[in-house]
Amino acid sequence: ELKVEQNPLFLSMQEGKNYTIYCNYSTTSDRLYWYRQDPGKSLESLFVLLSNGAVKQEGRLMASLDTKARLSTLHITAAVHDLSATYFCAVDERNNNDMRFGAGTRLTVKP
Amino acid sequence: NAGVTQTPKFQVLKTGQSMTLQCAQDMNHEYMSWYRQDPGMGLRLIHYSVGAGITDQGEVPNGYNVSRSTTEDFPLRLLSAAPSQTSVYFCASSYSGPRGEQYFGPGTRLTVT
Repeated sequence: ELKVEQNPLFLSMQEGKNYTIYCNYSTTSDRLYWYRQDPGKSLESLFVLLSNGAVKQEGRLMASLDTKARLSTLHITAAVHDLSATYFCAVDERNNNDMRFGAGTRLTVKP
Repeated sequence: NAGVTQTPKFQVLKTGQSMTLQCAQDMNHEYMSWYRQDPGMGLRLIHYSVGAGITDQGEVPNGYNVSRSTTEDFPLRLLSAAPSQTSVYFCASSYSGPRGEQYFGPGTRLTVT
């Protein structure tokens, strides 16, 4: 069964600092998705990583995928308050329509 | 272009009642799906559809039915509501099939008493 684990689950950081969120998954997959959710809101797509070694960047966020290690990272550079949200990774198993989400990382950026 | 819409936004049911959560998209997406979100558990896939007339079960399908008679609409039916179905429900659609980037609706917050 496909399992997706994120860590940390809670992250409080100061503005201007860097940090990384990790997403591990348990079975073969070559696609990984990152989503952002603001409190009480829906999910917004951030990145779609389509192959091993894929790296995508948008503003202060950079996501990467290592399919051999079954690991994706979401790196935050010089955090700002606007990045405060919950971040989810999601994986779909190869040859399967099932999509599994991690439990989410609740990020709080403090001034 | 409204994207993915869901109704109602909030709903309170008594145990044993039935109801239908509505979902519609105007992007001509073939793939649509329903998730539930519970605190600390991320999102879990309930049912999905890869096109009109085709549906399949996800991770947590028990107690829910779906149908897909048109490309635009994908309603989720609760047959006999239970307190364990208290959750926030999200509908999503994708333009590139089951493995593409998904667009989510605003959600329906359901409470079963």
